[in-house]
Amino acid sequence: ETGVTQSPTHLIKTRGQQVTLRCSSQSGHNTVSWYQQALGQGPQFIFQYYREEENGRGNFPPRFSGLQFPNYSSELNVNALELDDSALYLCASSLNTGVEDTQYFGPGTRLTVL
Amino acid sequence: AQKVTQAQTEISVVEKEDVTLDCVYETRDTTYYLFWYKQPPSGELVFLIRRNSFDEQNEISGRYSWNFQKSTSSFNFTITASQVVDSAVYFCALSEAEGRDDKIIFGKGTRLHILP
Repeated sequence: ETGVTQSPTHLIKTRGQQVTLRCSSQSGHNTVSWYQQALGQGPQFIFQYYREEENGRGNFPPRFSGLQFPNYSSELNVNALELDDSALYLCASSLNTGVEDTQYFGPGTRLTVL
Repeated sequence: AQKVTQAQTEISVVEKEDVTLDCVYETRDTTYYLFWYKQPPSGELVFLIRRNSFDEQNEISGRYSWNFQKSTSSFNFTITASQVVDSAVYFCALSEAEGRDDKIIFGKGTRLHILP
């Protein structure tokens, strides 16, 4: 148990719809990162938030957006869903100290786009 | 560019055998971190180890051991006396220390089957 929770567990959407995924960080962690894991692949970095500001972004289009709240929980929003967005979405929390930044992952949200 | 290669897509061994998972990485950074994560069927990534690029000492934790060799850019993971519960997908990963974010670059994973 990492203390990182995600909701919902599973989600089915149709192409063109919008989706919001949620993540609650481990207590005391100020940084959250989001990853997309397609079937049979390793996770791919989407973006990271540190103290409510975007702190880095991977190679994902602008229709992938995020928010981090004052309590350090986070949302991942995806607009205009495409079939290729079907994946496991993982969030990870960490404490950005520059010394011990290990990311601890939640159980993920499995998104299916039909 | 950073890259992590796990050449073994899938491995099957009989319980109690030892098994080594290979990992080769590429980076231009002088300071970086290497990781191993385990992903059981439930999907959650379980953190196993984090290694600083300046620390080349091998590490042992119970039945798990890690061999970091900077000269060959490898960070291999050995499970001794494997058990059925070790069955999972294992990811090797890399993170740079000098960037703004600490994004993790993952390999494609090695699926390990431990047969009873």
